[in-house]
Amino acid sequence: GQQVMQIPQYQHVQEGEDFTTYCNSSTTLSNIQWYKQRPGGHPVFLIQLVKSGEVKKQKRLTFQFGEAKKNSSLHITATQTTDVGTYFCAGHQRAVGNEKLTFGTGTRLTIIP
Amino acid sequence: GAVVSQHPSRVICKSGTSVKIECRSLDFQATTMFWYRQFPKKSLMLMATSNEGSKATYEQGVEKDKFLINHASLTLSTLTVTSAHPEDSSFYICSARSGPVNIQYFGAGTRLSVL
Repeated sequence: GQQVMQIPQYQHVQEGEDFTTYCNSSTTLSNIQWYKQRPGGHPVFLIQLVKSGEVKKQKRLTFQFGEAKKNSSLHITATQTTDVGTYFCAGHQRAVGNEKLTFGTGTRLTIIP
Repeated sequence: GAVVSQHPSRVICKSGTSVKIECRSLDFQATTMFWYRQFPKKSLMLMATSNEGSKATYEQGVEKDKFLINHASLTLSTLTVTSAHPEDSSFYICSARSGPVNIQYFGAGTRLSVL
C-alpha cells in the first residue's frame, strides 16, 4: 500500500533558526496537504498543493510540491515558540475516486527559547 | 473555516463497556466523514470512511464489528467502540469533507482510556 514518510522524525531548533521537514510518498500523488498538530490537539489544515513543482508561501512558511508529485517540503524561516508541534504531510493517491488521505509519519518540532 | 465538533473529548471506561463517539459538522454538510486512530507520538491511521446513508468502508485490519460506524445524516457520524478493552485505548479523531473538495476538517479528538 501507499506509504508516506517524513524526515526528520524529531527536530529541536533554537528560536530564530530555520526548520525544514521533508515528505516522500511511495506513489504519485494527486495533491499534497500539510497539517499542524499542537501537543494535545488535533490536526489543523495549513495548505494544499496540487500542481507539479508548485511553491506556496504563508508568512514564514514555504511549501513545495516536487516535480514528480511524490515529494514535498515545508520550510519555516526564523522559528518562533508558537511553531511548536508536529507537522504532517498527507496526500491523495493519483487514482480516480480515491478519496483516502494518507498521512505522513510526521515531524515533531520543539523550540529552544 | 468549517467547524467539526467531536464529543466526548475524553472517556474513561471499564473493560467490556461500549463507548459512542459523535462527530458533527456544524456549519456545512459533510458528504464524507473519516475516522482516524492515533497512538502517542504516532501518525494518524485511517480506520474507516463513511458516506451518508451507506455502509462505512473499513481499512484493512480494522474490525467492523468492533468499531461500528453510523453516518445517519449529512451532519452526524458516530463511532461506537464495542466491548472496549485496554488495547483500544487511544486518541480517536474524526474529520469531515464537503462535496468534491479535498480538504478535511478535523474534530478535536476523543481520548479513550479503558481500564
